[in-house]
Amino acid sequence: DTEVTQTPKHLVMGMTNKKSLKCEQHMGHRAMYWYKQKAKKPPELMFVYSYEKLSINESVPSRFSPECPNSSLLNLHLHALQPEDSALYLCASSRGGSTQYFGPGTRLTVL
Amino acid sequence: AQSVAQPEDQVNVAEGNPLTVKCTYSVSGNPYLFWYVQYPNRGLQFLLKYITGDNLVKGSYGFEAEFNKSQTSFHLKKPSALVSDSALYFCAVRDMSSGNTPLVFGKGTRLSVIA
Repeated sequence: DTEVTQTPKHLVMGMTNKKSLKCEQHMGHRAMYWYKQKAKKPPELMFVYSYEKLSINESVPSRFSPECPNSSLLNLHLHALQPEDSALYLCASSRGGSTQYFGPGTRLTVL
Repeated sequence: AQSVAQPEDQVNVAEGNPLTVKCTYSVSGNPYLFWYVQYPNRGLQFLLKYITGDNLVKGSYGFEAEFNKSQTSFHLKKPSALVSDSALYFCAVRDMSSGNTPLVFGKGTRLSVIA
């Protein structure tokens, strides 16, 4: 089983809202990732968690706040976003530095 | 620093013909190389990877890729293209000699298979 699930599939929010994206995997992977992808562009790494600890933060604005409650779950809390934050947000997981398996993504629209 | 180049924004091929999607890379140490495919409004699906061993790697859906160290290339190939192969393809590299470095993606190549 190489499945990573993400909820919701679509999210529309205003600039003053607070919302969260969720990601789950049951492959026993100890590394989990958040990426942002704009249309027709490659994914851009945002955060990396390794053994439930934040190991990489690619200078992401503080309006994005990641959380890793346990080894299977990864959240991305959103607050006071801007319209330019509209994108596909992808979660991935891997066993160490090997193959990353991606979820289907959450399509976020900020009005 | 590591980088990946996909020189073609778009590749068009007739159904049944062989296809090649090009990728070259640059790393200071040993590369881990990956190909992913993305269908519209979907996540990235893993196709294949090269870590060590045989230079010809076989992956999902009949795709294969050849690792060429001297040319620092990892081109994706398929002997006979299907219309359903039409999608966005990403090559990616990790430098496995530099600790926990992130995966670096190429800009992507859009493959269009015409019936």
